[in-house]
Amino acid sequence: DSGVTQTPKHLITATGQRVTLRCSPRSGDLSVYWYQQSLDQGLQFLIQYYNGEERAKGNILERFSAQQFPDLHSELNLSSLELGDSALYFCASSPRGGTTDTQYFGPGTRLTVL
Amino acid sequence: GQSLEQPSEVTAVEGAIVQINCTYQTSGFYGLSWYQQHDGGAPTFLSYNALDGLEETGRFSSFLSRSDSYGYLLLQELQMKDSASYFCAVTYSNYQLIWGAGTKLIIKP
Repeated sequence: DSGVTQTPKHLITATGQRVTLRCSPRSGDLSVYWYQQSLDQGLQFLIQYYNGEERAKGNILERFSAQQFPDLHSELNLSSLELGDSALYFCASSPRGGTTDTQYFGPGTRLTVL
Repeated sequence: GQSLEQPSEVTAVEGAIVQINCTYQTSGFYGLSWYQQHDGGAPTFLSYNALDGLEETGRFSSFLSRSDSYGYLLLQELQMKDSASYFCAVTYSNYQLIWGAGTKLIIKP
């Protein structure tokens, strides 16, 4: 158990809908990362937050947005969902979000878009 | 552009040694990480190399050559539980991360 929690574990929804994925980092970690992993694919880095501020942006679609709240939990919002958005979404946290930080991953949210 | 390459699949025998290679092309390189992911599970950190050379942690070792833009993960005394996917990931300038597509390690008894 990494100490990172993600809810919900599974989410099934329809195309065109909007969903919110939630992540609570390990106690004391200030940085949160979001990743997308499609079936049998590698991890695609989406976005990183540090202490409430966006720090780095990867291949995040305009239909997706995220934020980190003052209590350091984070939410990833996915809108106008398409079939291709079906994937595992991982959240990870690290102490300082620095280049040498180890990232600790949550169990993931499996999103299925029908 | 930024890219990482690693083999898609490697097969080895229980008790043997296996090496998983990773080559990268990035600017502003900070370090190379390795993560393990079992089917259906979350990635877990294995090692990080910022400087050239070998880092050893138990049965796992990781190597980096910055001049060759190359690294590898070495797994010794393979056990069936080591069957998993292994990802290399590069941290480069402005905190961006790039991940390889992963190497599926298949271990045969």
